[in-house]
Amino acid sequence: DADVTQTPRNRITKTGKRIMLECSQTKGHDRMYWYRQDPGLGLRLIYYSFDVKDINKGEISDGYSVSRQAQAKFSLSLESAIPNQTALYFCATSERLAGRDTQYFGPGTRLTVL
Amino acid sequence: DQQVKQNSPSLSVQEGRISILNCDYTNSMFDYFLWYKKYPAEGPTFLISISSIKDKNEDGRFTVFLNKSAKHLSLHIVPSQPGDSAVYFCAAENQGGKLIFGQGTELSVKP
Repeated sequence: DADVTQTPRNRITKTGKRIMLECSQTKGHDRMYWYRQDPGLGLRLIYYSFDVKDINKGEISDGYSVSRQAQAKFSLSLESAIPNQTALYFCATSERLAGRDTQYFGPGTRLTVL
Repeated sequence: DQQVKQNSPSLSVQEGRISILNCDYTNSMFDYFLWYKKYPAEGPTFLISISSIKDKNEDGRFTVFLNKSAKHLSLHIVPSQPGDSAVYFCAAENQGGKLIFGQGTELSVKP
């Protein structure tokens, strides 16, 4: 079984709809992240959480919100989807060891907003 | 402002030859760098990392070189294999423990 899972894997929605992307992990890591990938722009950080009671904005948080329901679950919501939120979304987890993080990514969710 | 840059969107190499992927950064405070590999329809996977106290780290066919004065790192794959065909991202860790990624380079290794 995969350590980091994302649902759904693909989603097509319309402008103005509310969308939730879910992420679950079995790695036991405290730290979780949401990224989006766009062609030519690499991976950009949307939100991150270093433990259940900690939520922080990343580089591009506008238009998104998150919920950390448990250590293992971190959800990303688009309250009112718009076409420029069409992208590949990745969840990741990490643990801090010897002052360093290595992040482990889920398989991604391809979101299309029409 | 792109703090981590991979200026080559794509690279094509013959099987058995060396692949060299490059990455430049602008923030001299970065002190830990990572390379991730991504296949289509999968998430990125960690490949190799290097701390700024080193200038080279090797793991099998993969070697990462760091030139701090030039703010440049490179990933060498020797010998390249068709299964190495993927998108490679370099990343730098900032003081908050977050990763800043480059745009990615798509490597194609031809048989």
